Amino acid sequence: KQEVTQIPAALSVPEGENLVLNCSFTDSAIYNLQWFRQDPGKGLTSLLLIQSSQREQTSGRLNASLDKSSGRSTLYIAASQPGDSATYLCAPKANAGGTSYGKLTFGQGTILTVHP
Amino acid sequence: SQTIHQWPATLVQPVGSPLSLECTVEGTSNPNLYWYRQAAGRGLQLLFYSVGIGQISSEVPQNLSASRPQDRQFILSSKKLLLSDSGFYLCAWRGQGGNQPQHFGDGTRLSIL
Repeated sequence: KQEVTQIPAALSVPEGENLVLNCSFTDSAIYNLQWFRQDPGKGLTSLLLIQSSQREQTSGRLNASLDKSSGRSTLYIAASQPGDSATYLCAPKANAGGTSYGKLTFGQGTILTVHP
Repeated sequence: SQTIHQWPATLVQPVGSPLSLECTVEGTSNPNLYWYRQAAGRGLQLLFYSVGIGQISSEVPQNLSASRPQDRQFILSSKKLLLSDSGFYLCAWRGQGGNQPQHFGDGTRLSIL
């Protein structure tokens, strides 16, 4: 059974800092990994999807890396802004087939606060 | 572009009452559809997923059921709600193809009294 751990559980930084959010997973046989953000009381917004064959994926100030063999992914946020404040969730996707077809397993998330 | 709609946004129901939450997707065809629950202080738990009309897979035994009467419509139901059914319910969709991302609706906050 896939288990996902996100560290730190919460992070508070001043505006402008570069920061790294960590995600580790126990089963390295994944198809891809998705990073999401969730604002309070809202649904999840997809940020990045990194395929199992990729090492990195970038979108604006966000960069996600994946080390599949060691079961780790990181989300790097450059020049953080107050609008980045949210909960960030990582979710590896199981390989297709059997009962785990297309299933994402979510971590508990990192609560990020960026203060002015 | 594709959009996903969930309603209602909030719902307060008494114990023992029925439930029906609806989710529809626009701008795509034959999506994979998902229902998740997010309980306070806990992660997202996959409840049901569907790869086509009338095809429903349940991830955990529970008091809920799901149906997919049309290609882009996914319904979460219960005949009799329990206190433990309280939570934040999220619908999601994904296009065909293994590396398509999942996209989520805005969720329904369900409170059971």
